[in-house]
Amino acid sequence: DAKTTQPTSMDCAEGRAANLPCNHSTISGNEYVYWYRQIHSQGPQYIIHGLKNNETNEMASLIITEDRKSSTLILPHATLRDTAVYYCIVTGYSGGSNYKLTFGKGTLLTVNP
Amino acid sequence: DTEVTQTPKHLVMGMTNKKSLKCEQHMGHRAMYWYKQKAKKPPELMFVYSYEKLSINESVPSRFSPECPNSSLLNLHLHALQPEDSALYLCASSQGREERNTEAFFGQGTRLTVV
Repeated sequence: DAKTTQPTSMDCAEGRAANLPCNHSTISGNEYVYWYRQIHSQGPQYIIHGLKNNETNEMASLIITEDRKSSTLILPHATLRDTAVYYCIVTGYSGGSNYKLTFGKGTLLTVNP
Repeated sequence: DTEVTQTPKHLVMGMTNKKSLKCEQHMGHRAMYWYKQKAKKPPELMFVYSYEKLSINESVPSRFSPECPNSSLLNLHLHALQPEDSALYLCASSQGREERNTEAFFGQGTRLTVV
């Protein structure tokens, strides 16, 4: 699976958009970009994923560059409850490994009042 | 039901004890995973089961023994653990089919303390 690079930490004001970047320059053609988050002491929570096109759901938007070497997760109106570690993961199906999720260090997003 | 249920939530065990962690899902998922997470670190993959068969073992010591008795259940048997094995153990499940790339659902974990 391709390696990802994320900033260690970011701050965001409550009510503003949070834009979390991720670099994945070695991504291959069949690999997806997934975003998960982990609020303190809880299990990771799925946010969104995409292959080439931009994606949006009720939680967030995912913008993937045309060359697919980087992406940005956007939380449109951050709240205090969005304070968490956000993980960007690149993975694809490879036989029996079933979209193996390998977590990097992630970005600690702190939403401030 | 989009829940992955892990029991127990907390477990304290001695180094000579044998205990088991349990994970259950009823979403029809055919891939199930065990992760280990130390404090302030990301989750580390331990095992992957695909259609009840072990497909990935990330060089985990034999004192951790996984078992998948059916498509809904995943166990992690623990024996002769060390204090450094104290961690949050997370279970996850996903569709597990190549043609359908979907998200993984995680349980809330079992916090294990080895004394």
